Amino acid sequence: DAGVIQSPRHEVTEMGQEVTLRCKPISGHNSLFWYRQTMMRGLELLIYFNNNVPIDDSGMPEDRFSAKMPNASFSTLKIQPSEPRDSAVYFCASSLTGEGGIQYFGAGTRLSVL
Amino acid sequence: QQQVKQSPQSLIVQKGGISIINCAYENTAFDYFPWYQQFPGKGPALLIAIRPDVSEKKEGRFTISFNKSAKQFSLHIMDSQPGDSATYFCAAFNQAGTALIFGKGTTLSVSS
Repeated sequence: DAGVIQSPRHEVTEMGQEVTLRCKPISGHNSLFWYRQTMMRGLELLIYFNNNVPIDDSGMPEDRFSAKMPNASFSTLKIQPSEPRDSAVYFCASSLTGEGGIQYFGAGTRLSVL
Repeated sequence: QQQVKQSPQSLIVQKGGISIINCAYENTAFDYFPWYQQFPGKGPALLIAIRPDVSEKKEGRFTISFNKSAKQFSLHIMDSQPGDSATYFCAAFNQAGTALIFGKGTTLSVSS
């Protein structure tokens, strides 16, 4: 398997623009996680899906952030409108249900909002 | 109660030395304690993990020591190598829960 695939790897945008990050989990994994990593706050869980259904979105910072998982092989994280403080590395991870302690991470998307 | 406290924030070790990273937790419902390793530009990857019914787990040069009564666990890297230079995250998980709780991370630099 190719592992968790994220795109784009790097995104540079201007404040106010819409940003969409994409993730393809490992085939057969039915849990998907979105994280944000910054120097100040470390790794923060944003949202968690199980079987394509959002289970816990308490980590989503505000209404500007939204996430979807239309099918088992694709998820998006959208920021609209983006702000400079959203600059971070965003990771997607997947796991088997019941094995959430063993997560497989993608390479991440480095987002810079100017 | 959901926090995992990790120390030190950064660590410099000579090649061949022992690297030790410590973590502490409060929630006794946690039943799985993994360590993740992250190289620059990459996502975290599972390195080694332990369950609370054992006090130690060793895989090659990496050992987890677990103290259930003190609610503490640590990662020991024996014979540290420059290739071990990375950020290490401890974490805690509850099989009945949904979230893997990460520590803040330790940046390890092994000098040659």
